[in-house]
Amino acid sequence: QVQLVESGGGVVQPGRSLRLSCAASGFTFSSDGLHWVRQAPGKGLEWVAVISYDGSSKYYADSVKGRFTISRDNSKNTLFLQMNSLISEDTAVYYCAKDGFTSMDVWGQGTTVTVSS
Amino acid sequence: QSALTQPASVSGSPGQSITISCTGTSSDVGRYNYVSWYQQHPGKAPKLMIYDVSNRPSGVSNRFSGSKSGNTASLTVSGLQAEDEADYYCSSYTSSSTRVFGGGTKLTVL
Repeated sequence: QVQLVESGGGVVQPGRSLRLSCAASGFTFSSDGLHWVRQAPGKGLEWVAVISYDGSSKYYADSVKGRFTISRDNSKNTLFLQMNSLISEDTAVYYCAKDGFTSMDVWGQGTTVTVSS
Repeated sequence: QSALTQPASVSGSPGQSITISCTGTSSDVGRYNYVSWYQQHPGKAPKLMIYDVSNRPSGVSNRFSGSKSGNTASLTVSGLQAEDEADYYCSSYTSSSTRVFGGGTKLTVL
């Protein structure tokens, strides 16, 4: 079955960096776009970024533009999110989700990022 | 990239129907028929319930339906069941090729 498994979360100090990974299985990874979506504690969903099937197109939310970079390795069926210059407002559960062209049709279980000194 | 507007909460009794609204702008909800709805139970990942305004993925109950008029989309849940109690989020594609979510609506089954 289609599965997405995030990893790489943890506690990090403000201003530092963290790299999240999302391992995919059960579908043709190189054919689908992928998203990162986050959810701060007790808050709603916030879309973060999307990458096209071949990595040629990337779009970001204004809140992370210039600090976060989405990328993928189709040879390893893995999606990444490089997060730099982290601030407390980046504290959240980060989900990866498969792009169903106009929706996010499969979601991982999430990885927690806490930005704190 | 302002969030779509949803009511904070709605409630209904078992067997009744409820509707959750999702209001955007002419740059997102009003421009594209690319509105989707997600259900999220506490501590769980979101689940796609409706895509392209009114389409249900395989396996989603036909008690869930979607519609759109102008800049406002709606999710209707009919024949409410206890298991429907959850948070619901709408999302739309935007003219900037980004995505935007609503603030979320907590559905309580009385």
